[in-house]
Amino acid sequence: LAKTTQPISMDSYEGQEVNITCSHNNIATNDYITWYQQFPSQGPRFIIQGYKTKVTNEVASLFIPADRKSSTLSLPRVSLSDTAVYYCLVGDLVGRDDKIIFGKGTRLHILP
Amino acid sequence: GAVVSQHPSRVICKSGTSVKIECRSLDFQATTMFWYRQFPKKSLMLMATSNEGSKATYEQGVEKDKFLINHASLTLSTLTVTSAHPEDSSFYICSALPFLAGGGNEQFFGPGTRLTVL
Repeated sequence: LAKTTQPISMDSYEGQEVNITCSHNNIATNDYITWYQQFPSQGPRFIIQGYKTKVTNEVASLFIPADRKSSTLSLPRVSLSDTAVYYCLVGDLVGRDDKIIFGKGTRLHILP
Repeated sequence: GAVVSQHPSRVICKSGTSVKIECRSLDFQATTMFWYRQFPKKSLMLMATSNEGSKATYEQGVEKDKFLINHASLTLSTLTVTSAHPEDSSFYICSALPFLAGGGNEQFFGPGTRLTVL
């Protein structure tokens, strides 16, 4: 199982772009990279998933370099409501790995 | 999008009693569901993997006789905390992996159940 390393916490201001980088040096060929957001006393919410290069949806972008040993979640123009814990997960639920282990996540605090 | 529900959302019980938590996939079928436990300010800890029609696979250190898991159908998994004690108080979260995962290598999470054992 690929282990992930993220910054423990980050602070930013409303309206700024926030980039959270995750290291996953032993990512396997079949592994996907998935980011989740969690608010207190709620289940994690899917943000974005990718395999390589760049993925963009209505809430975020995910940048994955060619070696796939890291990934960066980019949140454009954050607001106070983006204050949450963000988890980077790496794994292959469909293939050989049938579970994914959560790392410690990044506690993002948005300031007014 | 895919929705996973949990019931109850919160429960308070006396020490020694058993508590059942239900996890349902509302608009998709899930052959695999996962149960997590989360303590305050901590990350989610995987407890077990629940597969429809077969025995659950427990993570190391998780007592299978204490945390009974039943995945009776493609839309329902239950976690029963038997003889609950105050140290079992935690936030329990389930997730479901759609049957037709295809390109969606993605778990859908329930809202969680807050268990408080007095």
